Amino acid sequence: GIQVEQSPPDLILQEGANSTLRCNFSDSVNNLQWFHQNPWGQLINLFYIPSGTKQNGRLSATTVATERYSLLYISSSQTTDSGVYFCAVPSQGGSEKLVFGKGMKLTVNP
Amino acid sequence: DVKVTQSSRYLVKRTGEKVFLECVQDMDHENMFWYRQDPGLGLRLIYFSYDVKMKEKGDIPEGYSVSREKKERFSLILESASTNQTSMYLCASSSLLALQYFGPGTRLTVT
Repeated sequence: GIQVEQSPPDLILQEGANSTLRCNFSDSVNNLQWFHQNPWGQLINLFYIPSGTKQNGRLSATTVATERYSLLYISSSQTTDSGVYFCAVPSQGGSEKLVFGKGMKLTVNP
Repeated sequence: DVKVTQSSRYLVKRTGEKVFLECVQDMDHENMFWYRQDPGLGLRLIYFSYDVKMKEKGDIPEGYSVSREKKERFSLILESASTNQTSMYLCASSSLLALQYFGPGTRLTVT
């Protein structure tokens, strides 16, 4: 099945710093989703981004489908950005089942 | 806003008990999912339902069953809870676009 790898696995930042999270996937996909899980466990969908670039405030995401990777940018990080970030892709073409990466834990210190 | 709710945030059960985890969504989504999340392993799919009374096994269905009698409700059942089922359980729903919305999670401890 499709493999999803995220890097780095952990990141510690000072408030105000920028960061880039990477998601590599092993096969062609028709969608990719980024999620943020807050320290209380709630997962929130950040982006649905099969290709191209999207921006939402301080966050933006770019997916290069032909090269099988996606990047999540966080600018001017805040303590509320702390948590775990996941990317997920369909388990096979057109499937509604997602395969998740193992996640990247971000800690933003004040 | 899409809302997915789960019956409990924290649950403590004894080995051998039958456990029911309930999930309700209010957006008329066709698809519903149960995942478990363990440190270092990410989210793993237990079961998936694409319609009422329809279900499909995920990656780790052993020791679990599910029930979907109504479109908005998807239940996860642990027939005989074991300590290795101590985990965070997450329910999600999605429309045909596959954009998934998650509930707040249930932290289950089996002692």
